[in-house]
Amino acid sequence: GAVVSQHPSRVICKSGTSVKIECRSLDFQATTMFWYRQFPKQSLMLMATSNEGSKATYEQGVEKDKFLINHASLTLSTLTVTSAHPEDSSFYICSATQGEYGYTFGSGTRLTVV
Amino acid sequence: QKEVEQDPGPLSVPEGAIVSLNCTYSNSAFQYFMWYRQYSRKGPELLMYTYSSGNKEDGRFTAQVDKSSKYISLFIRDSQPSDSATYLCAMSIGGTASKLTFGTGTRLQVTL
Repeated sequence: GAVVSQHPSRVICKSGTSVKIECRSLDFQATTMFWYRQFPKQSLMLMATSNEGSKATYEQGVEKDKFLINHASLTLSTLTVTSAHPEDSSFYICSATQGEYGYTFGSGTRLTVV
Repeated sequence: QKEVEQDPGPLSVPEGAIVSLNCTYSNSAFQYFMWYRQYSRKGPELLMYTYSSGNKEDGRFTAQVDKSSKYISLFIRDSQPSDSATYLCAMSIGGTASKLTFGTGTRLQVTL
């Protein structure tokens, strides 16, 4: 089946630094990838839709300059949290789609900003 | 009002019980309905997918969609402790890059 690899699974960084999270579709080409944020005991909140070769589409309220998304190839999208602050600490999850219903999720990245 | 409503639980049932999980929604344009299972600190995994109204069965899992009532259900038969997780309903309008709208998730605990 379709596999999406997300790396790293956990990261701790100092306040003010930047962190990059990678999302790779291992056995299929993903023209569209999605980035979500999940707070404890809450559902997934869509942050942005990432399309290969074009700029990401951000949801209302998500700062595009803070959460930089790059979708350079059909198998790789990256999310960079710039100038991270403790309030950015969260669980970040990517997903990739093969078609209308083929949404496969990565295993998530737990970001802790200290 | 949220587009998708789901009781967060927690729901605790004994092993072997039939579990019923439900979501209601307000957007009549939703055509694709999914149920995901999420274990703690992991990404969601797709359990069931249905298009439009109807039932779908896969092993111990049955998904039902009633578009006239804007109501979807997931039934788990012969529940096992390994089914303990958070179950998220999700739906989309459709199309190759259509975004998913999730419910808040229901936390299920199956006890021995």
